[in-house]
Amino acid sequence: GAGVSQSPSNKVTEKGKDVELRCDPISGHTALYWYRQSLGQGLEFLIYFQGNSAPDKSGLPSDRFSAERTGGSVSTLTIQRTQQEDSAVYLCASSLEGRFWNGYTFGSGTRLTVV
Amino acid sequence: SQQGEEDPQALSIQEGENATMNCSYKTSINNLQWYRQNSGRGLVHLILIRSNEREKHSGRLRVTLDTSKKSSSLLITASRAADTASYFCATVRSNDYKLSFGAGTTVTVRA
Repeated sequence: GAGVSQSPSNKVTEKGKDVELRCDPISGHTALYWYRQSLGQGLEFLIYFQGNSAPDKSGLPSDRFSAERTGGSVSTLTIQRTQQEDSAVYLCASSLEGRFWNGYTFGSGTRLTVV
Repeated sequence: SQQGEEDPQALSIQEGENATMNCSYKTSINNLQWYRQNSGRGLVHLILIRSNEREKHSGRLRVTLDTSKKSSSLLITASRAADTASYFCATVRSNDYKLSFGAGTTVTVRA
């Protein structure tokens, strides 16, 4: 597509429920990243999918967080048993790799509120 | 963990004035980038400067990089109300494409 698409744009969920956040990267972008941003803070790296390589999961804050990328395209970030501290904006980005790499294109994010 | 630290945290200027913000980082980098964020949602890539470059321009933006001091600056000239946003620096280390972001500088341009 023309840009990175994220859905839903807003999600309110009850504590303890599971949520799934979706990211549709730019067609042809082999790299996909998830970050989260708490209110007034910088971006915290979560996970990075690079082509066919094993993902870099080093930023996932707990085993309640997982992500997958099917067919090298769409990615889903799943948070199980949500907690109030999970409330944040979850941002997805994609990019080319190699010598064509020129920074990220971000989606508009999913604002998650856990009540 | 955050690699970059922006300074100042917040900046308020009059329309037409220049805005300067700085970024310091800790480890060796391949390149450094600046992003803008409006209304706490998606970030927009502004400019990328590679470790072997010292200065780069894009429209009203000027970025400098001093790898000996591990610092960068972003200058916005002749600011406009539409430049009101948060600005983040982000660094890429030599061995991957993962960006590490600072906490950002919030810029308010008063009409």
